[in-house]
Order: sequence, then structure tokens, then C-alpha cells
Amino acid sequence: DTAVSQTPKYLVTQMGNDKSIKCEQNLGHDTMYWYKQDSKKFLKIMFSYNNKELIINETVPNRFSPKSPDKAHLNLHINSLELGDSAVYFCASSQERYPDTQYFGPGTRLTVL
Amino acid sequence: AQSVTQPDIHITVSEGASLELRCNYSYGATPYLFWYVQSPGQGLQLLLKYFSGDTLVQGIKGFEAEFKRSQSSFNLRKPSVHWSDAAEYFCAVRSSGGYQKVTFGTGTKLQVIP
Repeated sequence: DTAVSQTPKYLVTQMGNDKSIKCEQNLGHDTMYWYKQDSKKFLKIMFSYNNKELIINETVPNRFSPKSPDKAHLNLHINSLELGDSAVYFCASSQERYPDTQYFGPGTRLTVL
Repeated sequence: AQSVTQPDIHITVSEGASLELRCNYSYGATPYLFWYVQSPGQGLQLLLKYFSGDTLVQGIKGFEAEFKRSQSSFNLRKPSVHWSDAAEYFCAVRSSGGYQKVTFGTGTKLQVIP
């Protein structure tokens, strides 16, 4: 009965490859997010979707493309992976009425070799 | 632009001792403030939040935080630390109104020694 789940938990890949990370929430929330946490633990928002609509899009390379097939899912696709993409990526969700109590997934550790 | 500063990168306390983690924010109006905790290998969990009203807010796991506008601070406290409190703690700020992003501080790593 995991609230926010992400797959895979670990992802090791070569530079130049394309990869996807999936996120699902079973909390009935309207809003979902992707965050990137670097090696220094700095956590920065990348995208936010509300009811499948993009509402926050930070300065992120266009190699990163979020896709929200429905309210419960927000996937992150990354093209042409670079060394600097190595990080832990967190998915989160929140109710629209309470946009600040965010529930985080366990994270996906991406390592680009 | 909103920002959050956590001046302490790493803090070590003895089990049973009191704890205070510092957080200073920068935002023009009344901010929305949060503390999250991240246990090793886990996602973040909300400890407490401040939107308005009483400046002393209570959270889960026995934590509390006090909003001090004059000092632009929102320090996290716990009277008696348990070994299970060892984790990374993040202060965060969000501006009011509409869809605004949450900006996180760089975190404070708490180590608890027996």
C-alpha cells in the first residue's frame, strides 16, 4: 500500500542512452512533482503537474521530458544522458487544496557512466 | 526570490540531549515554511509546517518549530533526541498564492551518539 512509488530504485547506464523513471501515487492527489537531489543533497524542483497539466517547469534541459498519462502517474524520460545527470530523482505528490504537504517517493538513484 | 539558508551542514548531539536546527529564510511577504526529514535511503517526510497563526508549531515525532519574523528564522527543536532521529533535515519555503514552487535549504545532517 505504498503511497508514492518509483521504479526503478537504481538505474546505471552509459552516457548517451535514453532512460525513463516511472512514478505512481495512490493517494488520490491532483499534483505531482519531480525533484533532483545532487551529491551534496541539494534538492531542486524540476517539474510539477496538476491534473495532467504542466504548471511548473524550471530551467531544465529539454532532454528531460515529463509525461503524465493520468493524475496518478508522472513519468520522467531523459534523452542523451550525460554524466551530470547522475543524481537521485524524487517524485512527490500533494493535494491541490494543500499544495505544500508533499508526499515523496523513495527516490531513484541514477548513475551515468 | 525566495531562499532558505541552513547554516549548519552537520550537527552531532548525544542521545537524550536537546536539539535545535537553524533555518533562515528570505522572502518579502509572509512565507509558508516547512521542515522535512530524510532518513537514509528514503524520500522526504513532512515534520511540520507554518502558514499563519501561532508562531510555535508542533509536528510529528516530538518536533516543534518557532517562526520569528524579526529574525527571519524558523528553527526546529526537540527537547530530547532519540537515536532514530539521525537523518538529514531540510527547511523549505514557499511563497503564497497560486502554484508556487517550494525551495529547499541545503540540509543539516544530524548524527546522534549514544
